[in-house]
Amino acid sequence: AQSVTQPDIHITVSEGASLELRCNYSYGATPYLFWYVQSPGQGLQLLLKYFSGDTLVQGIKGFEAEFKRSQSSFNLRKPSVHWSDAAEYFCAVANIQGAQKLVFGQGTRLTINP
Amino acid sequence: GAVVSQHPSRVICKSGTSVKIECRSLDFQATTMFWYRQFPKKSLMLMATSNEGSKATYEQGVEKDKFLINHASLTLSTLTVTSAHPEDSSFYICSASRPRTYEQYFGPGTRLTVT
Repeated sequence: AQSVTQPDIHITVSEGASLELRCNYSYGATPYLFWYVQSPGQGLQLLLKYFSGDTLVQGIKGFEAEFKRSQSSFNLRKPSVHWSDAAEYFCAVANIQGAQKLVFGQGTRLTINP
Repeated sequence: GAVVSQHPSRVICKSGTSVKIECRSLDFQATTMFWYRQFPKKSLMLMATSNEGSKATYEQGVEKDKFLINHASLTLSTLTVTSAHPEDSSFYICSASRPRTYEQYFGPGTRLTVT
């Protein structure tokens, strides 16, 4: 069964600093990978996705993620964070063998210091 | 991105009553919808997968008689929490998926409080 691990429960960075959120997955085949963001009390918004092709994918709000098969990772990055980026971030992998289900990581809460 | 709505956004009910939550896909026909439950500071737990015109598929450990799911049309799925108890208090989120894709578009969530 596939699984997703986000090793960092909580990360704090200063506004304007760079950001990297880690995501490792366990899946036997080529994974379909996603990053979602959730603001407090809200649903999830898709930031970006990887299905195939270029391993560096660009998303909304200036985010990007790089798929590294050798490391089973799909880390999310942003060169310069803004206070509005404070939120919960979830990495997910799709179960392409059944029912389009997503398996989510535990989430990383991002706090931005002014 | 696609728009998915949920109604109500918040609901408070008394123990023993039933509550219905609606999930609507506003700008595309969703053959598959998903219902999740999220506890405070936790990830999303998939409760069930809802396919239009057929019975929902429940995840292990989810009581199908307690959490009734109906997907009567390509744009509407409902979750009914029957005989609600305080331990059912949670944040419930739905999502909709376009046919033959793996992208899910999430609703804004419904905060259920059972008193």
